[in-house]
Amino acid sequence: EDQVTQSPEALRLQEGESSSLNCSYTVSGLRGLFWYRQDPGKGPEFLFTLYSAGEEKEKERLKATLTKKESFLHITAPKPEDSATYLCAVHTSLQGAQKLVFGQGTRLTINP
Amino acid sequence: KAGVTQTPRYLIKTRGQQVTLSCSPISGHRSVSWYQQTPGQGLQFLFEYFSETQRNKGNFPGRFSGRQFSNSRSEMNVSTLELGDSALYLCASGRTNQETQYFGPGTRLLVL
Repeated sequence: EDQVTQSPEALRLQEGESSSLNCSYTVSGLRGLFWYRQDPGKGPEFLFTLYSAGEEKEKERLKATLTKKESFLHITAPKPEDSATYLCAVHTSLQGAQKLVFGQGTRLTINP
Repeated sequence: KAGVTQTPRYLIKTRGQQVTLSCSPISGHRSVSWYQQTPGQGLQFLFEYFSETQRNKGNFPGRFSGRQFSNSRSEMNVSTLELGDSALYLCASGRTNQETQYFGPGTRLLVL
């Protein structure tokens, strides 16, 4: 069964304190891995798409990397506005059905 | 470019009633997917439509249904509402279901 696991569930950092979020996956027919940011009461906001092991993408203080079994979202010198839930999803294709399978998310809090 | 829009944003229904939610995708996007988000289960895939055809379906009972119109707008319907159907229902659109999906703000449904 397709499975995506994110860790930690919650992370509290001080402003400027860098860290990484993990997304490990077990899927059949991986077609891409996506990172989203979700603020309370809102829909997920797209951040990155990664397709192959070794690929990296960067946007402001965020950098996403991908291996064959997991992805990391590195946050460098975060600011309070980076506080949100970060969701990882894998695009799978099983028996012709294609869908996104989401992890439970990491709730990130950045204290000023 | 306008994003994905969903209406209504909030709904309160009672058990046994039915509800219809609407989603307008980003212009030019032909794939529309629906997800249910709850605190316990996270984001779960309901179904995906492309060019008015349902191509993929998640593990939800037949009370959950949907359709897509020729202008790519989509509706989902939940009949015989149960308390457990209370959730944030999210719609996402993409040019195809193999490319990045962009989410709307969601419809928050409360079943009493």
